[in-house]
Amino acid sequence: QKEVEQDPGPLSVPEGAIVSLNCTYSNSAFQYFMWYRQYSRKGPELLMYTYSSGNKEDGRFTAQVDKSSKYISLFIRDSQPSDSATYLCAIVTGGGNKLTFGTGTQLKVEL
Amino acid sequence: DSGVTQTPKHLITATGQRVTLRCSPRSGDLSVYWYQQSLDQGLQFLIQYYNGEERAKGNILERFSAQQFPDLHSELNLSSLELGDSALYFCASSPTGTYLYEQYFGPGTRLTVT
Repeated sequence: QKEVEQDPGPLSVPEGAIVSLNCTYSNSAFQYFMWYRQYSRKGPELLMYTYSSGNKEDGRFTAQVDKSSKYISLFIRDSQPSDSATYLCAIVTGGGNKLTFGTGTQLKVEL
Repeated sequence: DSGVTQTPKHLITATGQRVTLRCSPRSGDLSVYWYQQSLDQGLQFLIQYYNGEERAKGNILERFSAQQFPDLHSELNLSSLELGDSALYFCASSPTGTYLYEQYFGPGTRLTVT
């Protein structure tokens, strides 16, 4: 079983839609969770990180962690064409020494 | 622009060859990480250096090696290249290496092995 599973998509939504991106993880000991955005031909950039269950909001983005279900989500409100990218979840694993990434979900926001 | 630079941007080489990828971290960052991103495996952590010393190791093959120099730039050496080594190689840097969410990624080097 992979440590982090993510639906690869692609996911296509109309502009203004609410987007939900999800990951599941296998080890309940994991405590730190991150979301990265990667535009085509660019390196990943950190969007948000959280270390607790519940919600964390930053502008149009909300990260949600449900440790009981080992499920993390990223919600994007009022999605824009500029949000079109691949979104990667990442979890601190290896005893805190490394990041393990999901395979990424490709999102396209259409006009 | 993250402030992390990687050279070259693209590299095309043949099987069996050896290549060196270079990374310059953001000014003041002491820690450097190397990742491999391929279509089938996603983004995989290879190795981390902190102030010249190896700190953490991931799924790095024995044919691959890395080092961090006194000026803090890092090089990733890939030898006996195979077709399956074709991938994007990213370098990331962080100030201390303590908080993994502080990593800033470079633009990557695209390696094609023919």
